[in-house]
Amino acid sequence: DGGITQSPKYLFRKEGQNVTLSCEQNLNHDAMYWYRQDPGQGLRLIYYSQIVNDFQKGDIAEGYSVSREKKESFPLTVTSAQKNPTAFYLCASSIFGPATTGYNEQYFGPGTRLTVT
Amino acid sequence: RKEVEQDPGPFNVPEGATVAFNCTYSNSASQSFFWYRQDCRKEPKLLMSVYSSGNEDGRFTAQLNRASQYISLLIRDSKLSDSATYLCVVTFYGGSQGNLIFGKGTKLSVKP
Repeated sequence: DGGITQSPKYLFRKEGQNVTLSCEQNLNHDAMYWYRQDPGQGLRLIYYSQIVNDFQKGDIAEGYSVSREKKESFPLTVTSAQKNPTAFYLCASSIFGPATTGYNEQYFGPGTRLTVT
Repeated sequence: RKEVEQDPGPFNVPEGATVAFNCTYSNSASQSFFWYRQDCRKEPKLLMSVYSSGNEDGRFTAQLNRASQYISLLIRDSKLSDSATYLCVVTFYGGSQGNLIFGKGTKLSVKP
């Protein structure tokens, strides 16, 4: 089955620790994205990648880092520099990146709920 | 920065009712438009893309009005299973804004 997987579903960490969230897709999509969603808020873009070994900051990249060494994988590290890391993190992918015009729907993984205490 | 705005609701309707949501966007250069559905504590799922001519998928109809910069979603014959939050999504091309911009969503609750 094609799709996007994220692991783990729930993650608990102590303040001051870095944590890495996994995102894998087997849809052969070029572009991948990381969003954050807080209660009652819309999705906010953290980072995106249009192609392997390339990624761009979104609106709220501070305190986060990513890598894109393989087309299928786009892990997100939440560093200790992120002031309010507790949130619902969503990974998505699309066939093409945002530089391509036309309808380019994004498909989401099931998300990871991170709680930092 | 208010680029995509939606009425947060909640819209409480009885089964079988027709309900409509509107969404306004601020950037006239917006290119693509979508409606996503998000169930409580789940990921958003694509409901339908919104094309210039309007499009229909079963009980769902989406329309785009570029002159007034809004899109709409009409749900006919509401089912209990339609209860969810509906996200309006707009794409602006170029730079970090080339990605989808999400509205905060409109919550729909369909009652028996």
